[in-house]
Amino acid sequence: EVQLVESGGGLVQPGGSLRLSCVGSGFRFSSSAMTWVRLAPGKGLEWVSGTSGNGGSKYYGASVRGRFTISRDNSKDTLYLQMDSLRVDDTAIYYCARVSGASHASGTYYTTWGQGTMVTVSS
Amino acid sequence: QSVLTQPPSASGTPGQKVTISCSGSTSNIGHNFVHWYQQFPGTAPKLLIYKNDQRPSGVPDRFSASKSGTSASLAISGLRSEDEANYYCAAWDDSLSGVFGGGTKLTVL
Repeated sequence: EVQLVESGGGLVQPGGSLRLSCVGSGFRFSSSAMTWVRLAPGKGLEWVSGTSGNGGSKYYGASVRGRFTISRDNSKDTLYLQMDSLRVDDTAIYYCARVSGASHASGTYYTTWGQGTMVTVSS
Repeated sequence: QSVLTQPPSASGTPGQKVTISCSGSTSNIGHNFVHWYQQFPGTAPKLLIYKNDQRPSGVPDRFSASKSGTSASLAISGLRSEDEANYYCAAWDDSLSGVFGGGTKLTVL
């Protein structure tokens, strides 16, 4: 069974940092591009970041570019999201999702999602 | 404000057909495939439609979708109470990022 499990969420003050992890199982992790998507309270889904299967390509949404860094360790089947300079409006549930191909492209979509991890940015 | 535009809400009675629209631009829907996700409160999103009009196995054929130009739509026929959820359209954008619609909350009256 394909499964994704996120961890690392919590309460952090504005300006602080947090690192999220997402462990994949049941599929060849290194063959799948991966992505982070978030859901803020009362808002809709927002695409945050994505990376190719080999980690060589990385993409970011405009609201997080320069503050967040996506990475992966294929030897550990784990995806990461390093979040720095956190702001109140980064408060959200963060989901990792498996992409349908080895890289992000026109036809790729998100086949499997984790249960999400909550990040709260507040003083 | 989301890149793709969806109506915030939609509703229908059991058995009816409901359509949810999704409007974008040349750089996203115009040049790329559209996908749809279903999300129930408190749960993770689930893939509902991929590549404009393809249903993953297990998704009832009551769900259908189409794309034309820079717009797309999701149709749910034979509406059932268990269809009450949030629906999101999504696409890849030529600026090398993913984009989502703001989501449509479907209420079954």
